[in-house]
Amino acid sequence: NAGVTQTPKFRVLKTGQSMTLLCAQDMNHEYMYWYRQDPGMGLRLIHYSVGEGTTAKGEVPDGYNVSRLKKQNFLLGLESAAPSQTSVYFCASSYLASEAFFGQGTRLTVV
Amino acid sequence: DQQVKQNSPSLSVQEGRISILNCDYTNSMFDYFLWYKKYPAEGPTFLISISSIKDKNEDGRFTVFLNKSAKHLSLHIVPSQPGDSAVYFCAEYIRGDQFYFGTGTSLTVIP
Repeated sequence: NAGVTQTPKFRVLKTGQSMTLLCAQDMNHEYMYWYRQDPGMGLRLIHYSVGEGTTAKGEVPDGYNVSRLKKQNFLLGLESAAPSQTSVYFCASSYLASEAFFGQGTRLTVV
Repeated sequence: DQQVKQNSPSLSVQEGRISILNCDYTNSMFDYFLWYKKYPAEGPTFLISISSIKDKNEDGRFTVFLNKSAKHLSLHIVPSQPGDSAVYFCAEYIRGDQFYFGTGTSLTVIP
């Protein structure tokens, strides 16, 4: 079992560029989440999904969009990257409201 | 306003001694709390949880205590081992809502 897989693991973007982070889980989990981790800020929820075709805003959604077209995939998009979006991004999934399983993270730098 | 607070950014203990990591919360309507452990360049991994109806949960060297009157929980690691050196996050789950994470405590176990 791969668990939760994030693609890519590292990326450097120029300000204004766009990109999509992919999260895939093979545990048939209903819930999926995107978090960002910044020094001294802990893990902050960007967007989440409670099932295929559904998405909801988390604590820090501005500048990001998401899609959950398939149950196993949750995509996080940055339409116009800004230096403030330099962070480590984590995807997670859970079966309903049980503990969440996290991916390895994507380190994004916006210059 | 931070829903879950970990007021100690770092903690150092000697190998074999007890490590106590603390977490305070504001919302009493939670379903359960979880502790996650995170090594550098890896995603957080689930460690232990406690439901709102319990005041203690134990799993091997790890014990979590919940004091609802003080809105406080703590994670005890006994005995501490060098491999326990990591960042520990507490997280609160409120049914129908989402996981709220603290800012993390970096534990260093000195051999």
